[in-house]
Amino acid sequence: ETGVTQTPRHLVMGMTNKKSLKCEQHLGHNAMYWYKQSAKKPLELMFVYNFKEQTENNSVPSRFSPECPNSSHLFLHLHTLQPEDSALYLCASSQDNGDFYEQYFGPGTRLTVT
Amino acid sequence: QQQVKQSPQSLIVQKGGIPIINCAYENTAFDYFPWYQQFPGKGPALLIAIRPDVSEKKEGRFTISFNKSAKQFSLHIMDSQPGDSATYFCAASGGSARQLTFGSGTQLTVLP
Repeated sequence: ETGVTQTPRHLVMGMTNKKSLKCEQHLGHNAMYWYKQSAKKPLELMFVYNFKEQTENNSVPSRFSPECPNSSHLFLHLHTLQPEDSALYLCASSQDNGDFYEQYFGPGTRLTVT
Repeated sequence: QQQVKQSPQSLIVQKGGIPIINCAYENTAFDYFPWYQQFPGKGPALLIAIRPDVSEKKEGRFTISFNKSAKQFSLHIMDSQPGDSATYFCAASGGSARQLTFGSGTQLTVLP
């Protein structure tokens, strides 16, 4: 295991539902990330939190709302999603040393929007 | 300019073969080039990484070759095994692009 856990591992939700994805890292890192992984496409960076502050939002629709209450926990709140949002959502963490990021990924949440 | 182009999309080799996966980039400010390995049902795991001050790096059976002038880097897997069957992603970061930019992935199958 990488030290990054995600729950739930699988989620099926309707377009009108509200759900949340949870990520927890046990590595003492200070930066956390949400990625979207769709078939045959590069990993898409969604959000970055550094020292609990959101430092990047890569034009993600407002139906995705991140929350980072502390440097060990990261949430992704979901509401009124579309079928095209079905994907594997990956959380990652790293230690921001100002140079590059050696990122450690969780196992992901497989999301299906019906 | 932020893209990292990866090829091939899929690759099948026999056990003991040497699969080679290639990546190309445009941003000359990139200075960190990792490779990730992803098994089904798992998140990507960092496999090996290189900085542009060296042309080659080996860790066990995995080797990164780096060609700065061509802006290309590749992953070689020596004596490949069926357990190496996975999806491999290259990535790059550096300069103003502090976050990783990933390639689209290569699905490798090593036949017994």
